[in-house]
Amino acid sequence: DQQVKQNSPSLSVQEGRISILNCDYTNSMFDYFLWYKKYPAEGPTFLISISSIKDKNEDGRFTVFLNKSAKHLSLHIVPSQPGDSAVYFCAASAVNSGTASKLTFGTGTRLQVTL
Amino acid sequence: NAGVMQNPRHLVRRRGQEARLRCSPMKGHSHVYWYRQLPEEGLKFMVYLQKENIIDESGMPKERFSAEFPKEGPSILRIQQVVRGDSAAYFCASSPWRGPNQPQHFGDGTRLSIL
Repeated sequence: DQQVKQNSPSLSVQEGRISILNCDYTNSMFDYFLWYKKYPAEGPTFLISISSIKDKNEDGRFTVFLNKSAKHLSLHIVPSQPGDSAVYFCAASAVNSGTASKLTFGTGTRLQVTL
Repeated sequence: NAGVMQNPRHLVRRRGQEARLRCSPMKGHSHVYWYRQLPEEGLKFMVYLQKENIIDESGMPKERFSAEFPKEGPSILRIQQVVRGDSAAYFCASSPWRGPNQPQHFGDGTRLSIL
């Protein structure tokens, strides 16, 4: 029962262009969404989050968009840099349902930024 | 990932032995979460603890696994009588409080290998 899905296992983008990573979810109770970046042999690093009361949140080169009706969110990275090459995980939690703090993760998308 | 400290980074055990994984949260954080990542998969929630209390253990296997977060000292994830299927990366995360929209910050994990 994969409640958070990242259907693209990998993505290759040229340096300077936009990277768009997608995530779909099935649980309508999810109301807080996060993106994490992970390098090999390290733990996930928090990038950006969005609450379900918003449809966009921006932090520097990173923007997350949320489409609640489609149960879809995306992470935009612009411009992409070689150091952005990593695995990106989408995660969700149901903050207001009593199961707050339990994160449900997608399976990740490996981003490769080429020169 | 600075702040959440996990040790050991690598742990090798033979089948039937016990494994103890330790996690010290970031300074000022009183909430600890454990996740497990199998190869090529996303992170799966195991347990959520506050000091001296287990809040949510819905992701913990019913047998052989236990967790604690004592008043003093690190959180411990304990796996008794390990089996090959316990081989995975175990990540600990912490957050300052349970309230809404608080990202969890992860350590670099313990890679457990069962011979």
